[in-house]
Amino acid sequence: QVQLQESGPGLVKPSETLSLTCTVSGGPIRSYYWSWIRQPPGKGLEWIGYIYITYSGSTNYNPSLKSRVTISADTSRNQLSLKLSSVTAADTAVYYCARVDGGGSDYWGQGTLVTVSS
Amino acid sequence: EIVLTQSPDFQSVTPKEKVTITCRASQNIGTSLYWYQQKPDQSPRLLIKYASQSFSGVPSRFSGSGSGTDFTLTINSLEAEDAATYYCHQSSSLPQTFGQGTKVEIK
Repeated sequence: QVQLQESGPGLVKPSETLSLTCTVSGGPIRSYYWSWIRQPPGKGLEWIGYIYITYSGSTNYNPSLKSRVTISADTSRNQLSLKLSSVTAADTAVYYCARVDGGGSDYWGQGTLVTVSS
Repeated sequence: EIVLTQSPDFQSVTPKEKVTITCRASQNIGTSLYWYQQKPDQSPRLLIKYASQSFSGVPSRFSGSGSGTDFTLTINSLEAEDAATYYCHQSSSLPQTFGQGTKVEIK
């Protein structure tokens, strides 16, 4: 059974960089697409981007965040990471990592709430 | 960007009733449409992939249909545990997008 666990600071100051890690267990991260998705409190889901992990790793980001977001992976640790720079209060959300299989996300982490506040 | 519009936004339903949620895409997305269920304080759960294929372990009362721009999620004989918000999601075109969600409440 594939399991995903997000981790990282729950509080980030405005203008700083949000950094999260997603640790995957129960299966390899190689040869799959992995998405990051966020959900502001009480609101809907927003796709942040994905990484396709092969020997090179290709990424694609939501244009609304593209200039600020970086998704990467460490196959030796079976981990994914998300970095979002220059955060504002609008970036306050629950952040999820999810495995993509055939377009849809079949396995999700439990999510981690990140609050942007001074 | 493809916009997904769900209707209704909210539905209050008695147990055993049939629930129909629609998702309309602003462009043709073929069958690259997925449905998720999200209960309060839980992660989304994949119900339907490729518009009409049930994901493993999903109860048979959940079904999906449609292609192109119009899609439907049907819950036959609603059960109390189905109280949740339901989202459609498209991966046909980047950026991937989600519908705004439909909240289903049990009367």
